[in-house]
Amino acid sequence: KAGVTQTPRYLIKTRGQQVTLSCSPISGHRSVSWYQQTPGQGLQFLFEYFSETQRNKGNFPGRFSGRQFSNSRSEMNVSTLELGDSALYLCASSLVESGANEQFFGPGTRLTVL
Amino acid sequence: AQSVTQLGSHVSVSEGALVLLRCNYSSSVPPYLFWYVQYPNQGLQLLLKYTTGATLVKGINGFEAEFKKSETSFHLTKPSAHMSDAAEYFCAVSGPLGDMRFGAGTRLTVKP
Repeated sequence: KAGVTQTPRYLIKTRGQQVTLSCSPISGHRSVSWYQQTPGQGLQFLFEYFSETQRNKGNFPGRFSGRQFSNSRSEMNVSTLELGDSALYLCASSLVESGANEQFFGPGTRLTVL
Repeated sequence: AQSVTQLGSHVSVSEGALVLLRCNYSSSVPPYLFWYVQYPNQGLQLLLKYTTGATLVKGINGFEAEFKKSETSFHLTKPSAHMSDAAEYFCAVSGPLGDMRFGAGTRLTVKP
């Protein structure tokens, strides 16, 4: 079974631009979560989607948004990029919406904002 | 709300020595606890998890962790470190509906 895939793997943008990152979960997984990882802040939860609905949201500004499609694939969008948005963005999928289920992580998209 | 605290951002051990990575959690509901490992330029990989039942949990690569409710701890151990264990380790806690929260991570260095 294929793992979680994220595209693109690397991205370079300039301040003020917007970016869309994509995540394809493991087949059959309906929950998708997004995290931002930086050296200073560690792993921070962005949001989680289950059956196309955002169920949980972290403490990030409205510039960060996401959505999930009927096939469980998910995208996250960051508008008006800032230098501080440079990070590794990780997507994780889970079988169901129970907290007991582990999350399976993709390799991440490394975003650099210049 | 759940949270975890990992004591020690860096831990260094000699090859063959005991590995002990500390994690304390805070949760208002019975927690689900996880340890993940991250190798450079990769995503996170699950080492082990505690949901219910036996409090000593065995994971992959010889790691194990013990859930101690009275101490609100979930420390990760491995009897004998191997060079390939060098990585960053994350403790995480989740409530019944997900919403996983991670600790700041502990970077493990293994000296030859």
